[in-house]
Amino acid sequence: QKEVEQNSGPLSVPEGAIASLNCTYSDRGSQSFFWYRQYSGKSPELIMFIYSNGDKEDGRFTAQLNKASQYVSLLIRDSQPSDSATYLCAVKGGSSASKIIFGSGTRLSIRP
Amino acid sequence: KAGVTQTPRYLIKTRGQQVTLSCSPISGHRSVSWYQQTPGQGLQFLFEYFSETQRNKGNFPGRFSGRQFSNSRSEMNVSTLELGDSALYLCASGGEGYGYTFGSGTRLTVV
Repeated sequence: QKEVEQNSGPLSVPEGAIASLNCTYSDRGSQSFFWYRQYSGKSPELIMFIYSNGDKEDGRFTAQLNKASQYVSLLIRDSQPSDSATYLCAVKGGSSASKIIFGSGTRLSIRP
Repeated sequence: KAGVTQTPRYLIKTRGQQVTLSCSPISGHRSVSWYQQTPGQGLQFLFEYFSETQRNKGNFPGRFSGRQFSNSRSEMNVSTLELGDSALYLCASGGEGYGYTFGSGTRLTVV
């Protein structure tokens, strides 16, 4: 079982709709959770982090964490073509200690 | 505030050679991590350094090594290069409790 799992996509969402990206992790002791966005040919860029159960909102982005279900999600409201990218879920803590483990990413495509 | 600086941006090496990549973290960050990114494997953790000490290590062969200097700059070295080492090598620096900030990466091609 992979430590961090994501659906590879592609996930196609119409412009203006809500894009929902999901991630599960295997280490129940994990403590910090991150979402990165990576455009083709570029390096990953941190867009959200969350530590506590519940929702965390930042502009059009909402991260949701459910530690009991070992599940993290990212919602993107009012999706724009510029949101088309690969979204990487990352997890820190637990047996991996201070290192951050990444999922393989979900490719998101926003269609006009 | 300057970001994470990786040099060189591109490298072409021949099988069997060795290579050294450099990373300068964000000023004040003491943690530097290295990742290998390939289309098939995604982002794979290589190692993490904190205050000149290797704090974590991924599942890579001993040909991959690294070090960190007292000014937090880090280098990674790959000896006896193989074709499969062709990848984007990313360095990331982090303050405690936060996610990493990545550099632009070094694209290594082994021929």
